[in-house]
Amino acid sequence: EIVLTQSPGTLSLSPGERATLFCRASDFVSAMYVAWYQQKPGKAPSLLIYGASARASGIPDRFSGYGSGTDFTLTISSLEPDDFAVYYCHHYGRSPETFGGGTKVEMK
Amino acid sequence: QVQLVESGGGVVQPGRSLRLSCAVSGFTFSAFGMHWVRQAPGRGLEWVAGISYDGSKKHYADSVKGRFTISRDDPKNTLYLQMDSLRPDDTAVYYCARASDPALGELFSAFDIWGQGTMVTVSS
Repeated sequence: EIVLTQSPGTLSLSPGERATLFCRASDFVSAMYVAWYQQKPGKAPSLLIYGASARASGIPDRFSGYGSGTDFTLTISSLEPDDFAVYYCHHYGRSPETFGGGTKVEMK
Repeated sequence: QVQLVESGGGVVQPGRSLRLSCAVSGFTFSAFGMHWVRQAPGRGLEWVAGISYDGSKKHYADSVKGRFTISRDDPKNTLYLQMDSLRPDDTAVYYCARASDPALGELFSAFDIWGQGTMVTVSS
């Protein structure tokens, strides 16, 4: 099983700042099978990025994903008020699929 | 409108069973792999199970293998999760989710559509 470790646990930033979130896999994974989701309180997750770097439909270009091997990042270039949420990385492509523990992006 | 609506959650005693349903609308259900993902209160996401578009392949997390069964009824546009021998650590919101690309198979797509979730509480 691939274990995904996300860091930091919490990111305290202000609107307009850049957010960089990290996801490290316990073993090599194909970048084709890494996704990122946003979740707001009381809501279901929503897909942001798939294939490590492809934006899902309707996702603004301030969200970008990058990575290969064991290290993946999600960057929000300039935080908007609606972006404060919890973000999860996800490894698929084999069973069991796994999620990281999440990074909370909170308003400073 | 593409929509997934879960139902069947509730409070159940340890050792008992529960069946969750996920009613699908707005897309050709029979073409897509589907999954269940859960989230314990205040915790992160945990993948539970997945099923291929035709039901021929099923996959489970180790934590539920042998106790949970994923299935689908394409004429009814419904995904199911039969949960037996429930334990307190199964307490969570259970989401159904669609594997986004029907050409790639149930394990090779991210989850692009999610339901709103149904709460399962296992407690005596």
